[in-house]
Amino acid sequence: AQSVTQPDIHITVSEGASLELRCNYSYGATPYLFWYVQSPGQGLQLLLKYFSGDTLVQGIKGFEAEFKRSQSSFNLRKPSVHWSDAAEYFCAVGAQVTGGGNKLTFGTGTQLKVEL
Amino acid sequence: EAGVTQFPSHSVIEKGQTVTLRCDPISGHDNLYWYRRVMGKEIKFLLHFVKESKQDESGMPNNRFLAERTGGTYSTLKVQPAELEDSGVYFCASSQVTGGADTQYFGPGTRLTVL
Repeated sequence: AQSVTQPDIHITVSEGASLELRCNYSYGATPYLFWYVQSPGQGLQLLLKYFSGDTLVQGIKGFEAEFKRSQSSFNLRKPSVHWSDAAEYFCAVGAQVTGGGNKLTFGTGTQLKVEL
Repeated sequence: EAGVTQFPSHSVIEKGQTVTLRCDPISGHDNLYWYRRVMGKEIKFLLHFVKESKQDESGMPNNRFLAERTGGTYSTLKVQPAELEDSGVYFCASSQVTGGADTQYFGPGTRLTVL
């Protein structure tokens, strides 16, 4: 069975500083990987995804993530954090299921706080 | 294009009562998923529909939970009778059928509190 580990429960960064959120996964095949963000009072918004191809993936809001098969990692990065990035971030791995769907397994989330 | 919508946004009920949550997926999305996040824990898969058919309900906690998807459009998730441990946020997501590499779009969630 697949699993996702987000080692950092809480992270605090200063506005303008760089950010890296860690994600490690366990999955027997080539994974489908996702990062979602949940802002206060909002639903889950897709930031970016990796299915195949280029291992450096660009997403919305200036985020990027790099798939490293050798390390089973899919870390999320942003060069300069904005106060509006304060939210909870979830890494997920998708397992293909019958009917063409994709069952997601999530990490426990990383709560990002941005200091002004 | 409208996103995934869920109703209600919040529900507070007494233990033993019944609650029905509703999800309207993005138009044209045949895949519909339910997930749940219990406080302090990770978001967990409950079940998956393709059109009106349940493909996988391996994540449903027990037989107090019943999900339906009428005509392959909206879906409901009924909890009867509700227990304290059912409290949490229930998310619905939908996607187009693409052969596996689908992207799920999530609704805002329904926060259920059982007292």
